[in-house]
Amino acid sequence: KNEVEQSPQNLTAQEGEFITINCSYSVGISALHWLQQHPGGGIVSLFMLSSGKKKHGRLIATINIQEKHSSLHITASHPRDSAVYICAVSRYGGSQGNLIFGKGTKLSVKP
Amino acid sequence: NAGVTQTPKFQVLKTGQSMTLQCAQDMNHEYMSWYRQDPGMGLRLIHYSVGAGITDQGEVPNGYNVSRSTTEDFPLRLLSAAPSQTSVYFCASSTRGVGNSPLHFGNGTRLTVT
Repeated sequence: KNEVEQSPQNLTAQEGEFITINCSYSVGISALHWLQQHPGGGIVSLFMLSSGKKKHGRLIATINIQEKHSSLHITASHPRDSAVYICAVSRYGGSQGNLIFGKGTKLSVKP
Repeated sequence: NAGVTQTPKFQVLKTGQSMTLQCAQDMNHEYMSWYRQDPGMGLRLIHYSVGAGITDQGEVPNGYNVSRSTTEDFPLRLLSAAPSQTSVYFCASSTRGVGNSPLHFGNGTRLTVT
């Protein structure tokens, strides 16, 4: 079983819909990262969080440390949100180098 | 600021050739790393560095060498290219380690080994 699992693998939404992407992990962590990979291939860091909730524009990330679960929400989705969203965790007590990545959720938002 | 700059963007090699993928950052970040991304596998760590003169292996280091002589640069060397090294390579940096600070990625290098 992968240490970081994302769901769903693929998601198609209509413009304006509220979207939720889930990430579950099985190890103790010091931080969780949400990344966005555009169709052109570039990767951008959206959030890094270790507790609670963070918001940036239409994006909201939450984490529940006890349940080892994080969600990424997109409000009022738009076709430009179409991308692959990747969850990654830094293992608590692990080396400063190693992130464990999920396999990504491919989001397609239709106009 | 340019951020993280990777060169080249595309490269085709023949089996057995060697080459260096360049990575430079202008944000004075201590932490730098190299990942490869393969279909269905997600991103995997090749090598990383927590500061000049310090490097360490990641999950898939075989066939690759790195060095960190300056804070800015972190080149990845393929010693003798193999078809299994066909992949997309990303360099990333952060202020401190991945447990403390967000990552900044380069635009990637698409490598094909024939």
